[in-house]
Amino acid sequence: EVQLVQSGTELKKPGESLRISCKGSGYTFNTYWISWVRQMPGKGLEWMGRIDPSDAYTNYSPSFRGHVTISADKSISTAYLQWNSLKASDTAMYFCVRQTSTYAFWSGYYPDHWGQGTRVTVSS
Amino acid sequence: DIQMTQSPSSLSASVGDRVTITCRASQGINNHLAWFQQKPGKAPKSLIYAASTLQSGVPSKFSGSASGTNFTLTISSLQPEDFATYYCQQYNNYPLTFGPGTKVDIK
Repeated sequence: EVQLVQSGTELKKPGESLRISCKGSGYTFNTYWISWVRQMPGKGLEWMGRIDPSDAYTNYSPSFRGHVTISADKSISTAYLQWNSLKASDTAMYFCVRQTSTYAFWSGYYPDHWGQGTRVTVSS
Repeated sequence: DIQMTQSPSSLSASVGDRVTITCRASQGINNHLAWFQQKPGKAPKSLIYAASTLQSGVPSKFSGSASGTNFTLTISSLQPEDFATYYCQQYNNYPLTFGPGTKVDIK
């Protein structure tokens, strides 16, 4: 069974750093990409970026580039989302989602399995 | 960026109703369109990819279709467990973009 298990709830102060994780199991981790998605309280879904764990190649949304870093350690089947200096506006739920890395024109790099989410609260 | 719009933003329906949600992309996306269901306090669940292909394990009451840059999600007979918010997402171009969501609640 494919599972993406995310790290637990975080309560941080503005300016602090944070790294949350997403551990894949039930499949070969480095054969699928991992994307990160933000959901602010009461709002919709926003794609932040993705990583190919096989070579650590990343794409970022312009809205998030420079503020977060996406990385992965394929030896432990884990992807990460990291902030060096949190802001109150980073308060949100964060989801990881698996994307196929095998391209077919008719289907593209489609998403399938989601993690359960990590709640991050940033408050002084 | 490709803009995704959804209509309606919300709808009220009864158990047994047929429900259709529309999603429109601001430019062509090669039918690289996914649909997700999200219930309150839960992670989204993938329903459909490539505009009309059901994810494994998704019941056949869900269906998707495409016509150019217009996409629809249809639930053939709404059940209590289907009351949720539904999002579309294009994954053809970076950055990937979501529609704003359609909330389906009980009439």
